[in-house]
Amino acid sequence: EVQLVESGGGLVQPGRSLRLSCVASGITFDDYAMHWVRQAPGKGLEWVSGISWRSGETAYAASVKGRFTISGDSAKNSLHLQMNSLRAEDTALYYCGGSSGTTGWAIDSWGQGALVTVSS
Amino acid sequence: DIQMTQSPSTLSASVGDRVTITCRASQSISSWLAWYQQKPGKAPKLLIYKASSLESGVPSRFSGSGSGTEFTLTISSLQPDDFATYYCQQYNTYPWTFGQGTEVEIK
Repeated sequence: EVQLVESGGGLVQPGRSLRLSCVASGITFDDYAMHWVRQAPGKGLEWVSGISWRSGETAYAASVKGRFTISGDSAKNSLHLQMNSLRAEDTALYYCGGSSGTTGWAIDSWGQGALVTVSS
Repeated sequence: DIQMTQSPSTLSASVGDRVTITCRASQSISSWLAWYQQKPGKAPKLLIYKASSLESGVPSRFSGSGSGTEFTLTISSLQPDDFATYYCQQYNTYPWTFGQGTEVEIK
């Protein structure tokens, strides 16, 4: 069974940084692409960033490009999201997600989320 | 970025109803479209991938169709467990984008 567990969320002041982590079990990281998807309170889903271990390709939403960095360690099955210059509009529940070739690379595994609140 | 537009935003239906949700892409995404179900306080759940392929374990009353820019999610006979919010998502081109969601509520 695939399990994704996020950590690192919390309350942070505007302009500061925070690092989210996601540890995966039950999957082989090399066979997956990993993503961060966020959901602001009462709002819809927003894809934030993704990384493919095989190609090394990373991608970002325009709203976070230049401020957020996705990285990870496939040997440790861990994914990270370094979030700098945080803004109030970054307040959201951040989900870690995994996508595999089995589902044509749709996000087929999800964590329960880490809450990030940006406020002074 | 590719814009995904779902309709309707809210849908009121009864148990046993046939329900259809539409998703339109601002440019062709071939069949790289997924549908997710989300219940309050829970993570999204993949229902359909590659526009029409049913994820393992998902009831067969869910089906997806379409290609290019027009897609639909159909629930053939709405069950009590199906009242939730549904999202489409394109994964043809980065950045991936979601529709705004369709809330299916009890009539």
